[in-house]
Amino acid sequence: GQQVQQSPASLVLQEGENAELQCNFSTSLNSMQWFYQRPGGSLVSLFYNPSGTKHSGRLTSTTVIKERRSSLHISSSQTTDSGTYLCALDPNSNNRIFFGDGTQLVVKP
Amino acid sequence: EAAVTQSPRSKVAVTGGKVTLSCHQTNNHDYMYWYRQDTGHGLRLIHYSYVADSTEKGDIPDGYKASRPSQENFSLILELASLSQTAVYFCASSSDRGRGNTLYFGEGSRLIVV
Repeated sequence: GQQVQQSPASLVLQEGENAELQCNFSTSLNSMQWFYQRPGGSLVSLFYNPSGTKHSGRLTSTTVIKERRSSLHISSSQTTDSGTYLCALDPNSNNRIFFGDGTQLVVKP
Repeated sequence: EAAVTQSPRSKVAVTGGKVTLSCHQTNNHDYMYWYRQDTGHGLRLIHYSYVADSTEKGDIPDGYKASRPSQENFSLILELASLSQTAVYFCASSSDRGRGNTLYFGEGSRLIVV
């Protein structure tokens, strides 16, 4: 959506490399969520992170409200990390949650 | 673990026909959403509901109706399906529009209109 911009649109890594995915937003922020979409299409919640830094295994999410950005860091990538990563913004003004267009990640063995 | 189930998982419909996509959640969540995803794009909100017997328009409601007969069930209705409505549709639920809680998604319903 226009309120949420994700970059890069696509990314190819060799297994073991790190990745930094960005989500920039142009509105106020109530919450930011990161999702992983499997190649088959289903979505899995990775982080609910309205501010600060959160860790989960090899994943780290950092949201900086003043800079209107959120990032997802993947360390030591694995082939099973391949898929699409989506960020979703709740701007706190209504009940709508806006999604970015996603980053398509391919991790090669 | 929250559970959202959608049916059908895939469907081929003819142009001008009626299509109903169903969603059932067992999470006791108040909020339910219908999103549409086109290839290579994120999700766009079609309709949502925060209480039974009430629905709200999302960002792309044209050509779609929604029905929330109970807290557990939320349907998306295409009265006259069109080619442009070919997409994958996702249903989601949350306990408080994401404030302090996350969206839980169904597996998606792939619709092809021919």
